[in-house]
Amino acid sequence: EAGVAQSPRYKIIEKRQSVAFWCNPISGHATLYWYQQILGQGPKLLIQFQNNGVVDDSQLPKDRFSAERLKGVDSTLKIQPAKLEDSAVYLCASSLNQLDQYFGPGTRLLVL
Amino acid sequence: KQEVTQIPAALSVPEGENLVLNCSFTDSAIYNLQWFRQDPGKGLTSLLLIQSSQREQTSGRLNASLDKSSGRSTLYIAASQPGDSATYLCAVNLNYQLIWGAGTKLIIKP
Repeated sequence: EAGVAQSPRYKIIEKRQSVAFWCNPISGHATLYWYQQILGQGPKLLIQFQNNGVVDDSQLPKDRFSAERLKGVDSTLKIQPAKLEDSAVYLCASSLNQLDQYFGPGTRLLVL
Repeated sequence: KQEVTQIPAALSVPEGENLVLNCSFTDSAIYNLQWFRQDPGKGLTSLLLIQSSQREQTSGRLNASLDKSSGRSTLYIAASQPGDSATYLCAVNLNYQLIWGAGTKLIIKP
């Protein structure tokens, strides 16, 4: 079974630029999560999708972050414009039953 | 509000030693608890998942215990190896969302 795929693996941008991350969950997993992990901290949930609907986006900075999962499969997370404090690893996870989550390799973002 | 704490934040031990990592949580109404491993700049690898009804889970040299009543879990690593060096995070599943600790950074010295 293929795991959760994410791209790109690394991204370096300047502040005020835009960036987008892509995630392909495990086939059949209805729930998809985006997390932000700042160095030295545990992951913070940004948004949770159930199929193509949003379950929880309470910690998503909606003035600059957006996410979509149009067909209930792949998802994209966008930051526009980026700030220095957005430097982090962005993790995507998927789940079949919301009781255990499978994580992708993450995208490491550096904002200069 | 559920809080998850991991102590110590960092640990350095010689190769071959047995060691214990600790995780505590404030709300015992959890579905399960997971231990993850994270290598520098990488994603998360699930090591062990303990259901709320279970007391422990074992995988190879790893053993995780769960005591819901006291809000504690431990991850025991036997005969540590340099390849075990990584950050270990615990997460509790509360209302179908994971609440995370900040992790313990483990260094195994050859």
